[in-house]
This record gives sequence, C-alpha cells and structure tokens, in this order.
Amino acid sequence: NAGVTQTPKFRVLKTGQSMTLLCAQDMNHEYMYWYRQDPGMGLRLIHYSVGEGTTAKGEVPDGYNVSRLKKQNFLLGLESAAPSQTSVYFCARSYSWETQYFGPGTRLLVL
Amino acid sequence: GEDVEQSLFLSVREGDSSVINCTYTDSSSTYLYWYKQEPGAGLQLLTYIFSNMDMKQDQRLTVLLNKKDKHLSLRIADTQTGDSAIYFCAESIRYTGGFKTIFGAGTRLFVKA
Repeated sequence: NAGVTQTPKFRVLKTGQSMTLLCAQDMNHEYMYWYRQDPGMGLRLIHYSVGEGTTAKGEVPDGYNVSRLKKQNFLLGLESAAPSQTSVYFCARSYSWETQYFGPGTRLLVL
Repeated sequence: GEDVEQSLFLSVREGDSSVINCTYTDSSSTYLYWYKQEPGAGLQLLTYIFSNMDMKQDQRLTVLLNKKDKHLSLRIADTQTGDSAIYFCAESIRYTGGFKTIFGAGTRLFVKA
C-alpha cells in the first residue's frame, strides 16, 4: 500500500449525510493529496497539503473539506453528500511535489 | 489547458511486447510517470522519467520520451497475464505559485494467454 492506508475501504451514504475519510501515511512525507477517480477519467485532484496545518484546493474542491492537523493524517470530509460524489477516492503522499505514492482507495456510493 | 491523452484499450498475446502511448500538451512538465492499477487497488508507481531524458529502462519496462512531439511511451517486454491492468500516464508541471500532476484517463491492457 506504498505506506498509505485509507479508512474505510467502502461506504454507502444517503444523500445529505456527512462522513470523513481518513488517510494515514507512515513515511513522514510533507505532501499529501486527495483525488477522485471516475470511470473513463483520469484522477482529479480535490485538495492537497504541503505540510502539517496547511491545505489547498485542487481541481474539484467543491463539496469537500480537508484538514491536516497531524503530519501523518489527511482527512477528507463530505458535509452533505450528493450522488455526484459517488466515486473512488485515493489518497497519496510524496516527499516533494513530484512523485506520488497512492493508497488502496475508498469506494463511496451515495444513494 | 493541460491535457494528457491515452488510448483506452490495448490487447496483446502473452509473450509479445506491449506498447502503451501517451501524449501531453504542456511543454513545461518536469517529470512524466507511468502508474499501474490492478482491479480494486490503488495506483502503483511503475517508473518515471525526467523531462531531460530520452529513454529509461528498468527490467522489462522501457520508457521513451519525445519532447518535440510531446509523446511518451511505455514498452513492456515479454508481456505476462499478470501485466493485465490499467496503465496511467501522468505529468508533473511546475508553475509560478504552485505545481500540479495531470493524469491521463488510463489504458486498459488485456493480455491473452
């Protein structure tokens, strides 16, 4: 798992529910990322962090929030889930801004 | 804008070579990557090449980069059934104030026994 674990592996939500996805890394890397993967599309960056206490918006940030209170953990929150957020979510880490290593993914279904 | 394009499917026979192609639009890329994704799993970094290189070889994998044509390819020699997966091309771009990695949509490789 490239030193990245994601919790949970799979989740079903109803529209309007909230949830938090957890990403943890054991490599002490500064950079962490959240992507979503949809059929027929490449990965799209939701949010990222360049260090503890920092976060920044990616390509598709709307409807998501993130926090990086500890260097090892990067949390992705959905305040009010929508069916359009049905996707596979991947977390990644990197030592610098270049080569990224991915976790196994969280499959989210919003009904 | 930046874009990375790949063909969607490739089918080869076991033992043959596979060549997966990718084109990108941003000439300011610094690194280009190939990732492999097996069913139900995350993306696994296979190899990467720095933008000032033309070729990189790593066991059965050969990466060729043509900067003039903005073309990247991944050759897998002696393709095995275990190579069946989706292969993603990606480029890292550094720009004033930030950076980004752009992924292609992936090429699904089928290996026939």
